Amino acid sequence: ILNVEQSPQSLHVQEGDSTNFTCSFPSSNFYALHWYRWETAKSPEALFVMTLNGDEKKKGRISATLNTKEGYSYLYIKGSQPEDSATYLCAFTGAGSYQLTFGKGTKLSVIP
Amino acid sequence: DAEITQSPRHKITETGRQVTLACHQTWNHNNMFWYRQDLGHGLRLIHYSYGVQDTNKGEVSDGYSVSRSNTEDLPLTLESAASSQTSVYFCASSPGTGHGRDTEAFFGQGTRLTVV
Repeated sequence: ILNVEQSPQSLHVQEGDSTNFTCSFPSSNFYALHWYRWETAKSPEALFVMTLNGDEKKKGRISATLNTKEGYSYLYIKGSQPEDSATYLCAFTGAGSYQLTFGKGTKLSVIP
Repeated sequence: DAEITQSPRHKITETGRQVTLACHQTWNHNNMFWYRQDLGHGLRLIHYSYGVQDTNKGEVSDGYSVSRSNTEDLPLTLESAASSQTSVYFCASSPGTGHGRDTEAFFGQGTRLTVV
């Protein structure tokens, strides 16, 4: 069973603060790393798919980086807003596979 | 618009009954997956399929089965429902074309199953 770890488990920030989360994954047999945003009572929504070491992706105030050699990815949120409150999931896909192995997520709460 | 739909959205069943959860996608994706979501465990893979007539066991497959007779559907069957199978179930699909964003998974809205 692959080990995908996310930290912290939960996070409370004030509106306007910037924040970041970490995802660690196996550094061998890497194919892709995914970030999802998951709001309560909804389905996970894809944010980024990254496949190359050094990849950086950005969507509005949210960005992500990837280091496949050491097996970690960071997700950054600049100027957090209450609507950013959600659980952020990362998922690893190994070479030769299409499966996504998920971490347990980081639950972000943005306090107005 | 292409989509992935699950039915029913909510179900209550009794211990020992056979239950089937439906998943239907209109993206023509090769890959389909079933996950369950439980507190403290996140999303865990139950079964998956990479194409018609292909099925594979995931991390938590005991007590579940799937079949893939066409591209669009991957029904999940609980052979004899147990209280430990009370959970929220998510179906997902991904292109599986071998290039580009072929592993990006799109999720259904989930089915909340309660076994009493």
